[in-house]
Amino acid sequence: DAGVIQSPRHEVTEMGQEVTLRCKPISGHDYLFWYRQTMMRGLELLIYFNNNVPIDDSGMPEDRFSAKMPNASFSTLKIQPSEPRDSAVYFCASSRRGVFTGELFFGEGSRLTVL
Amino acid sequence: KNEVEQSPQNLTAQEGEFITINCSYSVGISALHWLQQHPGGGIVSLFMLSSGKKKHGRLIATINIQEKHSSLHITASHPRDSAVYICAVRSNTGNQFYFGTGTSLTVIP
Repeated sequence: DAGVIQSPRHEVTEMGQEVTLRCKPISGHDYLFWYRQTMMRGLELLIYFNNNVPIDDSGMPEDRFSAKMPNASFSTLKIQPSEPRDSAVYFCASSRRGVFTGELFFGEGSRLTVL
Repeated sequence: KNEVEQSPQNLTAQEGEFITINCSYSVGISALHWLQQHPGGGIVSLFMLSSGKKKHGRLIATINIQEKHSSLHITASHPRDSAVYICAVRSNTGNQFYFGTGTSLTVIP
């Protein structure tokens, strides 16, 4: 299996622009997580899905952030409009069975820079 | 207040040394994860624990649920073990994950 695949690996954009990050989980995994990592705050859970349904989005910082999972093999995290404080590395991870029993597999991350 | 505390924050060791990284948490949990992040950013899940001890090669992870404490041990450390090690827990009363700030390990040849 190719593992969790994220794109783009790097994104540089200007404040106010829309940013879309993409994730393909490991086939057969029924949980998908979006994380954000910054030097100041470390690793934070933004949202997670179970069987394509959003379960907990309490970590999403504000209405500028939205996430979708239209099918079992694809998810997007969108920021509109982007701001410099959104600059971070965004990780997607997937897991089989569930968070209580399933090991997490991370993608390589998408490094976002908002100027 | 951090729900997950790791120590030490930074650790330098000579190749071959036995290494211990500690993690304490303050919430009830359903599972604890140890993650490894190499320079360049990729994150790998090393262990997921809910009780007892697990071993993968030179890595050993233990957890004491009563004391809310976990340790990650590396035997016969090697320069390729140099990475940031992150402790993460999932609360058993909600849907939240909590992460430690990581321990940066450097193993010198």
